[in-house]
Amino acid sequence: DAGVIQSPRHEVTEMGQEVTLRCKPISGHNSLFWYRQTMMRGLELLIYFNNNVPIDDSGMPEDRFSAKMPNASFSTLKIQPSEPRDSAVYFCASSLTGGATGELFFGEGSRLTVL
Amino acid sequence: GQQVMQIPQYQHVQEGEDFTTYCNSSTTLSNIQWYKQRPGGHPVFLIQLVKSGEVKKQKRLTFQFGEAKKNSSLHITATQTTDVGTYFCAGVTNAGKSTFGDGTTLTVKP
Repeated sequence: DAGVIQSPRHEVTEMGQEVTLRCKPISGHNSLFWYRQTMMRGLELLIYFNNNVPIDDSGMPEDRFSAKMPNASFSTLKIQPSEPRDSAVYFCASSLTGGATGELFFGEGSRLTVL
Repeated sequence: GQQVMQIPQYQHVQEGEDFTTYCNSSTTLSNIQWYKQRPGGHPVFLIQLVKSGEVKKQKRLTFQFGEAKKNSSLHITATQTTDVGTYFCAGVTNAGKSTFGDGTTLTVKP
């Protein structure tokens, strides 16, 4: 079975540009999570969805970040406008159970570099 | 908010030596999960502990959950070069929210 699929794997962009990261969770999983990983701040939960509904977005840094989940098989994380401090690896993860009570399956990540 | 501390941040061992990483939460947890991330890779689930005082083993790995459900440890016996990576704990609250520790990065010298 395919795992969590993220695209793009790598993105290099200039400050001020819009960035859209995409995620396809594992089929049948009810929860989807967006994490950001940096050396300074480690793994941070940005937002998570349960049954396509955003449950906790308290980790979203600011209004420049937005996330959507229009259906059970697709989610996007958008940064507009991007800034150099947004450079990080962004992971999407999905879980069969609600919330983070069960095993999280991570995608391979999208490495974002903002120049 | 909930904080999860992990120590040590880095551990360098000679192949064959043992390794332990410790995880402490500021709040009582519903359960705790452990993940391993290889260099350049993504976190991969290792195990989940739910019961107070629980101990689980996976070959050379031993996981413990504290009696108060606020701390946990991962012990690797006789490390191998394949054990290199960063080990994260993730504390899950009763509300279903998880917080990852900063991880312990293990390097193994052959």
